[in-house]
Amino acid sequence: EAGVTQFPSHSVIEKGQTVTLRCDPISGHDNLYWYRRVMGKEIKFLLHFVKESKQDESGMPNNRFLAERTGGTYSTLKVQPAELEDSGVYFCASKGTGYKGETQYFGPGTRLLVL
Amino acid sequence: GNSVTQMEGPVTLSEEAFLTINCTYTATGYPSLFWYVQYPGEGLQLLLKATKADDKGSNKGFEATYRKETTSFHLEKGSVQVSDSAVYFCALGSYGNNRLAFGKGNQVVVIP
Repeated sequence: EAGVTQFPSHSVIEKGQTVTLRCDPISGHDNLYWYRRVMGKEIKFLLHFVKESKQDESGMPNNRFLAERTGGTYSTLKVQPAELEDSGVYFCASKGTGYKGETQYFGPGTRLLVL
Repeated sequence: GNSVTQMEGPVTLSEEAFLTINCTYTATGYPSLFWYVQYPGEGLQLLLKATKADDKGSNKGFEATYRKETTSFHLEKGSVQVSDSAVYFCALGSYGNNRLAFGKGNQVVVIP
């Protein structure tokens, strides 16, 4: 079974540009999450989808960040316009449902550097 | 709110040494506790978990016991190998709460 995949693995952009990150969850997982780790700090929750609906987006830092999950499969996270402080590693995770679905499985992350 | 505290600083030790990484938490309710590991150049992988008090999670020689009385979930391994060099994250997740709260992570370097 394929794990969570993320694309691109690395992105270097200039301040003011737009970047779109993609996450493909494990097949059949209704729950999809985005997290971010800024250098030297904790991994922080950004938001949670259940299928195509945003269940909790309270961790999104500001309105420059837009997450979508059309059709309830893959998700995108767009940063527009990017700022220097957006640099970090963006992780996606997915989880099944029910008691046995407690574990979140993470992707390899996208390393974003804003210059 | 929920939070996780890991001991400060990297950990450097020799091969076959005993490893302990401390993790304490603050939470309401009855959270699940996790250790994730990130090997160089890779993403986060679940190492082990425990879902209720006194449970012991174990995997690859690592163990951690869910201690409600001390609100701790310390990670231990009796004899580390060079291949255990990685960053280790303690995390907390509550049932019905789909957020994971992470500690800052500990870089572990095992020297041959």
